[in-house]
Amino acid sequence: GAVVSQHPSRVICKSGTSVKIECRSLDFQATTMFWYRQFPKKSLMLMATSNEGSKATYEQGVEKDKFLINHASLTLSTLTVTSAHPEDSSFYICSRSRGNEQFFGPGTRLTVL
Amino acid sequence: GENVEQHPSTLSVQEGDSAVIKCTYSDSASNYFPWYKQELGKRPQLIIDIRSNVGEKKDQRIAVTLNKTAKHFSLHITETQPEDSAVYFCAASISGNQFYFGTGTSLTVIP
Repeated sequence: GAVVSQHPSRVICKSGTSVKIECRSLDFQATTMFWYRQFPKKSLMLMATSNEGSKATYEQGVEKDKFLINHASLTLSTLTVTSAHPEDSSFYICSRSRGNEQFFGPGTRLTVL
Repeated sequence: GENVEQHPSTLSVQEGDSAVIKCTYSDSASNYFPWYKQELGKRPQLIIDIRSNVGEKKDQRIAVTLNKTAKHFSLHITETQPEDSAVYFCAASISGNQFYFGTGTSLTVIP
């Protein structure tokens, strides 16, 4: 069964609003989780590494103030897209690793009108 | 950081034929190379992986080869079936810390 869940699976919002996406590790306490963004028919782009109890590590080119990541517990990481705009519309996927293997959440489809 | 390139971007094969997808990576420290299959709107699913201490791995119709010296690895699917149609991604990682994905290959198996 799934070991990583995401909520919501789909969200539509107005431009200028903020959207929070939750990622939960269901079977394992994860000190580290990852957030990806995927455009239609494109690859997964690593946005940031979420670290429990400390600041997230962002990849080059990813705006920290735009994509707020909070990893307050060992099973939950959240991604907040602040002041969302149409160009933020995308498929956001979280994951966590155990050893070398990576387990993905089901993804969240964000559409900003 | 790591840069992973993947070719081809699209691939069409007749059912029963083989499909080969190739990836190159830039960081010699990468030591784990998984392959994922992703169907539209769904999460990527791991189909096979290889570690840097191994040159080849096979699982039924799927095989992966790794050339550490040349920094490239390939996915081989034999006896393709229509249900193999999907987007395939390669990835490179250093011991499971940050995964960097290739650009994806859309595979279509024609019945």
